[in-house]
Amino acid sequence: KAGVTQTPRYLIKTRGQQVTLSCSPISGHRSVSWYQQTPGQGLQFLFEYFSETQRNKGNFPGRFSGRQFSNSRSEMNVSTLELGDSALYLCASSLGLAGGDEQFFGPGTRLTVL
Amino acid sequence: KQEVTQIPAALSVPEGENLVLNCSFTDSAIYNLQWFRQDPGKGLTSLLLIQSSQREQTSGRLNASLDKSSGRSTLYIAASQPGDSATYLCAVNTDKLIFGTGTRLQVFP
Repeated sequence: KAGVTQTPRYLIKTRGQQVTLSCSPISGHRSVSWYQQTPGQGLQFLFEYFSETQRNKGNFPGRFSGRQFSNSRSEMNVSTLELGDSALYLCASSLGLAGGDEQFFGPGTRLTVL
Repeated sequence: KQEVTQIPAALSVPEGENLVLNCSFTDSAIYNLQWFRQDPGKGLTSLLLIQSSQREQTSGRLNASLDKSSGRSTLYIAASQPGDSATYLCAVNTDKLIFGTGTRLQVFP
């Protein structure tokens, strides 16, 4: 069974641009959660999508948004990039809602903002 | 507000030692607790999941315990190997994962 996949693996953008990251969950999993990892703040929750609906949201500005498609694949968008958005973005999938189910993570997308 | 702390922040041991990594959390209202391993620049690998009603879980050389009432979990690694070198993260699951800052483990031959 294939694991969680994320594309692209690496991205370099400049300030002010926007970026879209993609996550494909494990087959049959319906929940996708996104996390940001930085050396200073560690791992922080961005949002969770389940059955194409955002179920939970972390404390990030509105520049961070996401969506989920009917096949459970999810995309995350960051608009008007800032230097501080440079991070490893990880997505995780679970069979049911994230609260209660084991989370499985993808390899991440390394975003560098210049 | 839930806070998760891991001690020690870093650990360097010779091969073969038995290790204990500690995780504490401030709010006992959790669904479960997961231990993860992260290699440099990589994603997270799930090691063990302990449901809130359970006391411990075992997988190979790994054993994790959970004491929800005291807000503590420990990850026990038996007979450590150089391949165990990585950062170990614990995360409590409320309706999302809240992570500790990790323990960076180095096992030298």
